[in-house]
Amino acid sequence: NAGVTQTPKFRILKIGQSMTLQCTQDMNHNYMYWYRQDPGMGLKLIYYSVGAGITDKGEVPNGYNVSRSTTEDFPLRLELAAPSQTSVYFCASTKGTTNEQYFGPGTRLTVT
Amino acid sequence: AQSVTQLGSHVSVSEGALVLLRCNYSSSVPPYLFWYVQYPNQGLQLLLKYTSAATLVKGINGFEAEFKKSETSFHLTKPSAHMSDAAEYFCAVSASSGGYQKVTFGTGTKLQVIP
Repeated sequence: NAGVTQTPKFRILKIGQSMTLQCTQDMNHNYMYWYRQDPGMGLKLIYYSVGAGITDKGEVPNGYNVSRSTTEDFPLRLELAAPSQTSVYFCASTKGTTNEQYFGPGTRLTVT
Repeated sequence: AQSVTQLGSHVSVSEGALVLLRCNYSSSVPPYLFWYVQYPNQGLQLLLKYTSAATLVKGINGFEAEFKKSETSFHLTKPSAHMSDAAEYFCAVSASSGGYQKVTFGTGTKLQVIP
């Protein structure tokens, strides 16, 4: 199993550009999550999904969108990039609500 | 509402010394508790988890944590630090909230191991 994979690893965007961060898991997990990690702030939940076709907002959803058309994929869309979205983004998945999360390697995004 | 507080954003220990990383939580329902480790430029990996089976939980790499309900604590310990333990450690609490399992992470503690 590859686990949770994320692409790209690094990206620099100009203000106002858009992009999609890709996340795929091959563990047949129903639950998937997107977090952002800023220095000294821990992880903040952006969006989560409890299964294909079902998504919901987390703590910091503004400026982001997600979709979940398959169990495996959970892409995160930034429509109009802003400097405040400079961060490291992690995708995670879990088998069930009481299980540990499996994290991808992260995407380091800089918006200038 | 639930929250996690990790005391000390940076902790330094000598190689071979005891490692103690502190975590206190609050939760209105019985929680599940986790410790994750993050090495530089990597994602988080599970160290150990508490799911109400036993209050003393053993994890990977010689780490363990004790759930103390009366103190709402879940501190992480290791008897003897190794250079390879240098990393950032996150405590997390997971509990049912509004129909889904909400996970809240602490702000992390960076562990430095001095030779």
